[in-house]
Amino acid sequence: KQEVTQIPAALSVPEGENLVLNCSFTDSAIYNLQWFRQDPGKGLTSLLLIQSSQREQTSGRLNASLDKSSGRSTLYIAASQPGDSATYLCAVNYQGGSEKLVFGKGMKLTVNP
Amino acid sequence: DAGVTQSPTHLIKTRGQQVTLRCSPKSGHDTVSWYQQALGQGPQFIFQYYEEEERQRGNFPDRFSGHQFPNYSSELNVNALLLGDSALYLCASTPGQGGPGEQYFGPGTRLTVT
Repeated sequence: KQEVTQIPAALSVPEGENLVLNCSFTDSAIYNLQWFRQDPGKGLTSLLLIQSSQREQTSGRLNASLDKSSGRSTLYIAASQPGDSATYLCAVNYQGGSEKLVFGKGMKLTVNP
Repeated sequence: DAGVTQSPTHLIKTRGQQVTLRCSPKSGHDTVSWYQQALGQGPQFIFQYYEEEERQRGNFPDRFSGHQFPNYSSELNVNALLLGDSALYLCASTPGQGGPGEQYFGPGTRLTVT
């Protein structure tokens, strides 16, 4: 069964810390993997997309890596800020899924000032 | 350039009623997908529309149906509403060509069934 897991479910850190968010998936046959941010009661904002052929992508303070062989992706957030507080979701587009995304349950991040 | 838009923002319905949610994709996108997100969970794939046809469907009952119009906008219909249908309904769009790409989500419609 094609699944996506995010552990832990929640994380609370002081401002300024460098963070690593983890995502694991069950099948290495993927098209791409996408990280999203979701603020309470809102829609999803795409942060980074990593294609199957790529190892990492960077945008500002965010860096996402992909290791298909181990079924893992990490989202690195440098110098965290209170504005980074949100739920972060990992989603995998498995091959044969015709652009259907399989999501993890998300990780709720709280950055304390 | 408008992103993905959805209407209405919020909706309250009674068990047994029917509801229609609407989505307009990002400009230049022709593929629309619908997801259901229960509180505290990740979104679950309902179905996807491309060229006005349902291309793929998730594990949802036939009470959930949809439609795509020639302008690529889409509707999600849910019949015989149950309390468990209360959720945030998200619409996503993609260009549809050139292989699977980045998906863009709308703000969602919050459906409450009482």
